[in-house]
This record gives sequence, structure tokens and C-alpha cells, in this order.
Amino acid sequence: EVQLAESGGGLIQPGGSLRLSCAVTGFTFSGYWMHWVRQAPGKGLVWVSHINRDGTTTKYADSVKGRFTISRDNAKNTLYLQMNSLRAEDTAVYYCTRDFSHCGYDVWGQGILVTVSS
Amino acid sequence: QSVLTQPPSVSAAPGQKVTISCSGSSSNIGNNYVSWYQQLPGTAPKLLIYDSNKRPSGIPDRFSGSKSGTSATLGITGLQTGDEADYYCGALDSSLSGVVFGGGTKLTVL
Repeated sequence: EVQLAESGGGLIQPGGSLRLSCAVTGFTFSGYWMHWVRQAPGKGLVWVSHINRDGTTTKYADSVKGRFTISRDNAKNTLYLQMNSLRAEDTAVYYCTRDFSHCGYDVWGQGILVTVSS
Repeated sequence: QSVLTQPPSVSAAPGQKVTISCSGSSSNIGNNYVSWYQQLPGTAPKLLIYDSNKRPSGIPDRFSGSKSGTSATLGITGLQTGDEADYYCGALDSSLSGVVFGGGTKLTVL
């Protein structure tokens, strides 16, 4: 079964760091671009970052550029999002997603909540 | 303020048809493919349409997508109460080098 499972979220103080992980099962991880998308409570979807198949190309939303780093380990079938200098406005459910075709995301994780608060 | 513009809400009766619009610009919808997602409360989004008008396997043909110029439309026929959800459009934005989404449309099946 094709699955994405996020972990590593939780409550963190402003200025702190967290690393999200997304464990992949059921498909050839190295064959797909992967993305992180977030959703603040009661709000819409916001794209955060993407990474190409071999990890050599990454892009970030302006709101997280310089603070977040996306990476992947194809040997471990795992996607990561290192989040530094966290702000209250980063509070959201973070989803890892598979780019099926031209940024159409056909597989989503269950989401992991990150709460930035003192 | 989302880059792509959707109506906040739409409604229709069971069995009827509804359309949801998504308006953008030449840097996103005008020159890239559009995707549509359904999000039921408390769950992750689900892909309904990709490449502007294609349905993933398992998505019924009650759902359809189209694109014209810098706008896209999601159509849903034979509305069911289970279709009540939030619907989002998304597209790559070539100027931003990232994906942009609409603000979401809440569908109510009366």
C-alpha cells in the first residue's frame, strides 16, 4: 500500500527548531519529486517546498526561505523538513505529498501538527 | 490573500450540478496545469483532477476539470451529501517557481 507518514511535530517555542520526517512505503521513492504543503488552523493550503528526485534541486516559499531546508534520503525512503527560527505564523498541519504529474499531488500523508507558541 | 481566486462557498441540491471557478494569471493557470483537491473535515486533501482535466483512478466521472486561458473550473454532477467538503485548486507558478493554491471553496449540498 502506498503510504506517507509524517513525524516530528509538536509544540515548540518561537525561535526554536524542529525536523519533520516523512516515511515512504509502497512505491519507488526515488522516482518522484516530493513536496511539503502546510495548512494553518482553519485556513487554506499553502505550498512550502519541493525537492527533485535525487535531491539536487530544491525550492521554497518566500515565507520560509532561509529558515527551512528540505532534503531526502532515497536509501531510507524518507523525506525531511528542517525548520529553524520558527515563528508563530509557522503553526500549521504539515503534509508531505507525492508529485504525480505537473504538481498534482496524488498521495498525501496524514499530516503532522506543528505549534509555535511560548 | 491567495494567488488563485476561488469563490468562498457554493451550494446546490442533491442530484444537481455545481461548478467551482479558479482564476489566476498567465504565470500560473495560463501556462501550467491545474489540479483540484477535495478536503473533508479533519482529513488530508484528496486529488480529484490533475493536468487540468484528468481524473486519477478511482475518481468517479461525476468530477470533471477544464481550463480556458487563465481560469479553470471544477464540475461536479449528481451531487451527493458526501460531496460536502472544501475544494482547492492548485497550479505551478512559473514566476514564483512554486505551487500556488486557491483559498478554497466550501461546498454545501442542501
